[in-house]
Amino acid sequence: GEDVEQSLFLSVREGDSSVINCTYTDSSSTYLYWYKQEPGAGLQLLTYIFSNMDMKQDQRLTVLLNKKDKHLSLRIADTQTGDSAIYFCAEEGSGGYQKVTFGTGTKLQVIP
Amino acid sequence: EAQVTQNPRYLITVTGKKLTVTCSQNMNHEYMSWYRQDPGLGLRQIYYSMNVEVTDKGDVPEGYKVSRKEKRNFPLILESPSPNQTSLYFCASSPRPGTGDLRAFFGQGTRLTVV
Repeated sequence: GEDVEQSLFLSVREGDSSVINCTYTDSSSTYLYWYKQEPGAGLQLLTYIFSNMDMKQDQRLTVLLNKKDKHLSLRIADTQTGDSAIYFCAEEGSGGYQKVTFGTGTKLQVIP
Repeated sequence: EAQVTQNPRYLITVTGKKLTVTCSQNMNHEYMSWYRQDPGLGLRQIYYSMNVEVTDKGDVPEGYKVSRKEKRNFPLILESPSPNQTSLYFCASSPRPGTGDLRAFFGQGTRLTVV
């Protein structure tokens, strides 16, 4: 089946940029997503990118997609302590139905 | 307010005692899913449903059942829970593809412990 990989931890200083990386195996992915999970809460959709796009920017968030290498990244500019959370990338395959595969999640720790 | 509601939030049960975790959404979404979240494994899909009376297995369906008799409800049933089903469970709903709305809404989670 499809596989989505992320590193487990990332630690950055407040005000710096954070880059969270993700690799996936399904070459037929249609949409790729980034979700944020704060402690004790469910997942919140942060942003998404369609597979025919290379980049998407949304305020402090920049998503880069390298479809050839099947590599997705999320850059958070001017990282704040409120950005501390677990970030999941997820990919949705083609096939006319929604089957989303999530990565293992990256825990972002922001140091004041 | 648009939301996905799971109940209960926390549950401790004994091996073999049947239980149901309820999930309800108020957005008239067609798609609903159940996931379990385990450390180091991320979220794994258990079952999903594309519409009323249409359900299909996800990646880890063994030991679980679901039903979709109404659009708003998608309960997760553990007929005979075992300790390896101790996990954090999430229900999610989303509009069907093609609507232009890709937002998936997640419930708050149900932390299940089977002893």
